[in-house]
Amino acid sequence: GENVEQHPSTLSVQEGDSAVIKCTYSDSASNYFPWYKQELGKRPQLIIDIRSNVGEKKDQRIAVTLNKTAKHFSLHITETQPEDSAVYFCAASIQRAGSYQLTFGKGTKLSVIP
Amino acid sequence: ETGVTQSPTHLIKTRGQQVTLRCSSQSGHNTVSWYQQALGQGPQFIFQYYREEENGRGNFPPRFSGLQFPNYSSELNVNALELDDSALYLCASSLKGSGNTIYFGEGSWLTVV
Repeated sequence: GENVEQHPSTLSVQEGDSAVIKCTYSDSASNYFPWYKQELGKRPQLIIDIRSNVGEKKDQRIAVTLNKTAKHFSLHITETQPEDSAVYFCAASIQRAGSYQLTFGKGTKLSVIP
Repeated sequence: ETGVTQSPTHLIKTRGQQVTLRCSSQSGHNTVSWYQQALGQGPQFIFQYYREEENGRGNFPPRFSGLQFPNYSSELNVNALELDDSALYLCASSLKGSGNTIYFGEGSWLTVV
């Protein structure tokens, strides 16, 4: 089955700096890669996702890049703010009709220091 | 707002008991999945239902079972509860026409004592 590795497990940055979280996946058939932000005691919230036919996607301060050859994808947060502090999870999925199983990484606890 | 609602939000059960968790999603969500998230871990896939039939299962024992109903609601049942079943249980469904993006409900916190 799919295996997703996520690094680092913890990350501290100064407010305004950039943060980068990296994930690798094992199954070359995976074609959908979402990122979730989870605040303490709350559900994971989708912040950005990318599909295997795209190499990069941006949404304001957040961007995700995908390297299918190397089987890794990364989350980039620029101009970090204290409210970005949370646990971030990457996930990989082989999406086909009626099947959307996600395999998650173990998470990165991001702390943004004011 | 994801359109996915779960109940109950919190519950405490005793080891050996049985529990039923419920999930309701909007019309058009023909696929529903359940995930278990232990404290400090990422969510783990339990199983998925598509058109009321199980369509994929993770590494969970048979005492974890589920149902999907014609109105797109779903249940997760866990029998013979163990202490390690204490976790956040998340229901997820997919919106038609959105590229099949997966959204989670608020979750049900289960504590087994």
